[in-house]
Amino acid sequence: DTGVSQDPRHKITKRGQNVTFRCDPISEHNRLYWYRQTLGQGPEFLTYFQNEAQLEKSRLLSDRFSAERPKGSFSTLEIQRTEQGDSAMYLCASSLEISDTQYFGPGTRLTVL
Amino acid sequence: AQSVSQHNHHVILSEAASLELGCNYSYGGTVNLFWYVQYPGQHLQLLLKYFSGDPLVKGIKGFEAEFIKSKFSFNLRKPSVQWSDTAEYFCAVNGYSGAGSYQLTFGKGTKLSVIP
Repeated sequence: DTGVSQDPRHKITKRGQNVTFRCDPISEHNRLYWYRQTLGQGPEFLTYFQNEAQLEKSRLLSDRFSAERPKGSFSTLEIQRTEQGDSAMYLCASSLEISDTQYFGPGTRLTVL
Repeated sequence: AQSVSQHNHHVILSEAASLELGCNYSYGGTVNLFWYVQYPGQHLQLLLKYFSGDPLVKGIKGFEAEFIKSKFSFNLRKPSVQWSDTAEYFCAVNGYSGAGSYQLTFGKGTKLSVIP
């Protein structure tokens, strides 16, 4: 399978815990994006990497959120001190060029109790 | 800031009926336009896209969309829907957000239910 993969697919955690999600993009894609999707909404942009550089962050990305992409390959998204409002589907996408088609992974569904 | 508006939250059709899902966007510059589909239990998949050229674009599974620049619209159409088209459909716009970056903005989605 050469698509975008995400791990884990589901995560249940208690409020206040830290969680980390992983995304593996399509291998030749050097652009990587994180989105958040809540019920009844379309995906909302969180952040974007070109290779290992994080070039843009949405104001949705509070200081409890941090994303990395070491070596320009896989990426991790960490949420510290989770809150119930963080419950959502976290989507990763990758593309070859910045304005090109983005291909999405299956997402990680986070539930904060 | 760019925005995308999808007119219908939930559409219910019988098989063989024709489909048109509305999408309007707000953005002053050049945009790339997309329709993504999410089948039950599956991830977002690209249905079709418009970058330039012929404003009538054809996608997978018999879907097409027409870009009307003067109306800032990119409506999705299919002449005859099937039960397997039951899914959620998202319109998205990729416009230049400044500072050398593009940002993909999605509408809220339209849930399509096709009754056999």
